[in-house]
Amino acid sequence: QQPVQSPQAVILREGEDAVINCSSSKALYSVHWYRQKHGEAPVFLMILLKGGEQKGHDKISASFNEKKQQSSLYLTASQLSYSGTYFCGTVDNYGQNFVFGPGTRLSVLP
Amino acid sequence: DVKVTQSSRYLVKRTGEKVFLECVQDMDHENMFWYRQDPGLGLRLIYFSYDVKMKEKGDIPEGYSVSREKKERFSLILESASTNQTSMYLCASSLMGQGAPGANVLTFGAGSRLTVL
Repeated sequence: QQPVQSPQAVILREGEDAVINCSSSKALYSVHWYRQKHGEAPVFLMILLKGGEQKGHDKISASFNEKKQQSSLYLTASQLSYSGTYFCGTVDNYGQNFVFGPGTRLSVLP
Repeated sequence: DVKVTQSSRYLVKRTGEKVFLECVQDMDHENMFWYRQDPGLGLRLIYFSYDVKMKEKGDIPEGYSVSREKKERFSLILESASTNQTSMYLCASSLMGQGAPGANVLTFGAGSRLTVL
């Protein structure tokens, strides 16, 4: 049921880029991305609703390939504030059965 | 700001005790969710509710029950707590709808860390 994420963890230096992948065995209506900083609740980053859609937020962007049931999160020129655990989430057509992947822990070092 | 409030930040209970975790949201959201978070396993869905008195099982409902008597309140109940239920529990809510602004975006509470001894 849970989507699969890769990698499990990544360590970067400030200014480097990273890609986090999310895939599901189920047909996807939408993909959500959340970030959780240590000791805090997860916070919404973005939703991708359509096949092939790409969205961006500052230097974080994502793509969604509905046919392949995959999504990728792109972090460019990473900043220290990007550190945290990133979760992809998938939801059914009714927006109700919302399940998350196991998370990717991102550490950005100075 | 949307607020999701979980009544207890930290709880310590004994094996076999009945445990109530309360969650209240103030934005008139239809959907409410309970997750547990464990290292390496991410967020796992226990139960969700899309309306008052309605509930649906998530991926790991065993050992848990829920109650939604009012739209703003969603309670998670551990009838007889066990040590393997020691975890961080997160409540979330979202607005129902497809394509509407803000629909299906989860807002989380701060979490309740439960330790069962």
